[in-house]
Amino acid sequence: DIQMTQSPSFLSATVGDRVTINCKASQNINKYLNWYQQKLGEAPKRLIYNTNSLQTGIPSRFSGSGSGTDYTLTISSLQPEDVATYFCLQHNSGYTFGAGTKLELK
Amino acid sequence: QVQLKETGPGLVQPTQTLSITCTVSGFSLTSYYMQWVRQTPGKGLEWMGFIRSGGSTEYNSEFKSRLSISRDTSKNQVFLKMNSLKTEDTGVYYCARDTPPLSFDYWGQGVMVTVSS
Repeated sequence: DIQMTQSPSFLSATVGDRVTINCKASQNINKYLNWYQQKLGEAPKRLIYNTNSLQTGIPSRFSGSGSGTDYTLTISSLQPEDVATYFCLQHNSGYTFGAGTKLELK
Repeated sequence: QVQLKETGPGLVQPTQTLSITCTVSGFSLTSYYMQWVRQTPGKGLEWMGFIRSGGSTEYNSEFKSRLSISRDTSKNQVFLKMNSLKTEDTGVYYCARDTPPLSFDYWGQGVMVTVSS
């Protein structure tokens, strides 16, 4: 089974900061990596699919990159409404989720 | 507008069976896979299984012996049934729509299930 290691678990940043969240797979996942945002009490929302494709309606400050085993979600300029938990999902072989990153405002 | 909503019992006793319904709107179950995922304090987010657009199913081997996923396309509903519940099964259960190879595009907001006597 593929394991996903997500880092950091917690992140405190200021409005306007560039924020990066990482997911590392235990083996090559061929760019089959999605990123989700989850706000308290709400359904998870897909931000990025297959590493770098932006979901329709998602602001362009969100972007994804990576290959092989290492993947990154970047928020280019943090906004107050971005406070949420973010998690990754690999769907190359079965489905495995990252443990999540809780993003808060400093 | 795509919508998914899970409904379930809230509290289930150990050894009993959990039944959750996912009611969808804005799309047809015969065109998409439907996934089930849970989030528990002990293991975080775990994939449980899915039902294909054609009606066949696949399950995570960890749950295979006690999990069943089915659907009623006329009612736009997908069902999860899991038996022999333990306290460790306490968590939030989600359904999600899937369009391979893009995966998990829309989710419900989840239903909290507590396993306790």
